[in-house]
Amino acid sequence: SQTIHQWPATLVQPVGSPLSLECTVEGTSNPNLYWYRQAAGRGLQLLFYSVGIGQISSEVPQNLSASRPQDRQFILSSKKLLLSDSGFYLCAWSVRVQGNGYTFGSGTRLTVV
Amino acid sequence: AQKITQTQPGMFVQEKEAVTLDCTYDTSDPSYGLFWYKQPSSGEMIFLIYQGSYDQQNATEGRYSLNFQKARKSANLVISASQLGDSAMYFCAMRVYDYKLSFGAGTTVTVRA
Repeated sequence: SQTIHQWPATLVQPVGSPLSLECTVEGTSNPNLYWYRQAAGRGLQLLFYSVGIGQISSEVPQNLSASRPQDRQFILSSKKLLLSDSGFYLCAWSVRVQGNGYTFGSGTRLTVV
Repeated sequence: AQKITQTQPGMFVQEKEAVTLDCTYDTSDPSYGLFWYKQPSSGEMIFLIYQGSYDQQNATEGRYSLNFQKARKSANLVISASQLGDSAMYFCAMRVYDYKLSFGAGTTVTVRA
């Protein structure tokens, strides 16, 4: 069965510090991978998505970047965090077939102080 | 561009009663998928139900049903026989040809005993 792992669950980082959030998927090959961010009480905003190794598309200009060094690994990074980077970050995967939903990781709650 | 609108920020429902959550969408793509997700306070995103744009019948999954009105571009979620555990935030989402999932702002449902 397919599973998705995302860590850490919570993170408190000072302004200006770097960030690295990791997401890995098991039980599937060549998935689409996604990073979403959710502000408190709000909907999900798509940040990045990837259809293959090294292929990253950015949805919004921001202080963050993403990388996909392996087929089932997706990393969200920042060189210097801003206060506005605080939020709930969710990784997700899907297969490239209409009719299949996304499977989400358990999320990382990031607080930049 | 695709757009999902959820106009009900919050709703209260009595236990064992039914509740309808509104969702309207906008897309020019003839092939699309509509999803509903539940997000409890823990933050996880739980897939509830899916409706394809070419599906002739409304989707049902247990106590969840999707009232799909294609001409009106609406995809309302009906939860029957509400339970205390249904208290959560509910998101409507849409995917078109590019496999990116766009979310509405969400509706918070509170079930009262």
